[in-house]
Amino acid sequence: AQTVTQSQPEMSVQEAETVTLSCTYDTSENNYYLFWYKQPPSRQMILVIRQEAYKQQNATENRFSVNFQKAAKSFSLKISDSQLGDTAMYFCAFIYHNTNAGKSTFGDGTTLTVKP
Amino acid sequence: NAGVTQTPKFRVLKTGQSMTLLCAQDMNHEYMYWYRQDPGMGLRLIHYSVGEGTTAKGEVPDGYNVSRLKKQNFLLGLESAAPSQTSVYFCASVQGPGELFFGEGSRLTVL
Repeated sequence: AQTVTQSQPEMSVQEAETVTLSCTYDTSENNYYLFWYKQPPSRQMILVIRQEAYKQQNATENRFSVNFQKAAKSFSLKISDSQLGDTAMYFCAFIYHNTNAGKSTFGDGTTLTVKP
Repeated sequence: NAGVTQTPKFRVLKTGQSMTLLCAQDMNHEYMYWYRQDPGMGLRLIHYSVGEGTTAKGEVPDGYNVSRLKKQNFLLGLESAAPSQTSVYFCASVQGPGELFFGEGSRLTVL
């Protein structure tokens, strides 16, 4: 079974600064996908960034980047130039697919507050 | 393009009542999921489906039933609601390995 651990329940950062959210996971599988989702107060789940486990290059989406360490099973999210609109709960998620399963596992989330 | 639509968005039930949540997706996705999210917590998988006519249990399936009679619809049923089932329910779908597309959530309160 997969597990996802987000060890930081809450974090805060000053506007325009950089913050890193941590995520570790445990799996015996080799081919999988990792995601960071953002959930603002509106409750909508919004994809921030995705990483395919077979790719060594870390994914980047504008101000968001990941540090993917497959051997260490670590998948941290770095937010650069933080903006007030980044205030939200962030979830790390693991998704593996095979012919008979489609399970996903989410961490318990990190509440990020960006302060003006 | 509506994506993933959940109905109803809000519902209040009394203990012992039954109800069905409907999830509809218009992206022809094979995989569909039902999650629950309790306050301050992440999403926990209730049931999922890897194709029309198939369903499987997730990590918290007790008290829920599901059906996937049509590829585009995934129904979540509560036969006898309990206060412990008060939660926000999310449906999601995906075609294959990749991004989950979520509905907007359904808030259920059981009194």
